Amino acid sequence: DGGITQSPKYLFRKEGQNVTLSCEQNLNHDAMYWYRQDPGQGLRLIYYSQIVNDFQKGDIAEGYSVSREKKESFPLTVTSAQKNPTAFYLCASSTAGVTEAFFGQGTRLTVV
Amino acid sequence: KQEVTQIPAALSVPEGENLVLNCSFTDSAIYNLQWFRQDPGKGLTSLLLIQSSQREQTSGRLNASLDKSSGRSTLYIAASQPGDSATYLCAVRRSGGYQKVTFGIGTKLQVIP
Repeated sequence: DGGITQSPKYLFRKEGQNVTLSCEQNLNHDAMYWYRQDPGQGLRLIYYSQIVNDFQKGDIAEGYSVSREKKESFPLTVTSAQKNPTAFYLCASSTAGVTEAFFGQGTRLTVV
Repeated sequence: KQEVTQIPAALSVPEGENLVLNCSFTDSAIYNLQWFRQDPGKGLTSLLLIQSSQREQTSGRLNASLDKSSGRSTLYIAASQPGDSATYLCAVRRSGGYQKVTFGIGTKLQVIP
């Protein structure tokens, strides 16, 4: 089945630690996105990539980093510079024509 | 700056009732509008996508309308079922450039058996 797979489902980070969230898609989509979801707020864009080896900052990129070495993969690293990383992280993808977006099942990150 | 508002924030209805969820947006220069469903702790599932040139889209018991000039979209759910209980989000994609997507906070729907 085609879709987007995020892993892990739950992730715990200690203070000062970097963690990486995985996002893999087999939909052959060119564009991939990372969003952050907090209670009482709409989804906010962290980073997006429209093509392999290229990515752009979204609205809240500070403290995050990404890579896009393969079309299928768009991992997100939450660095120690992100002061409030506890949130639900969602990865999405869409075709190059930017039509319908498909989402993964999310990763819940908690700082301990 | 595009702002997307969804009213009401929460809604509780008895099973079998028809209901309408509202989405309003401030900038009418949109490429498309998409309605999603989100179950607790899960990702978003796409329900309906309306292109800016369209007025409505239908899928089963769901019907979404779009009025660009007034900055409004509605999601109509017919004959609601307990399985429809979820949070419904609308997302507006801007026309031109990167086509940034702005999400509403969502309407949390509870259908009571």
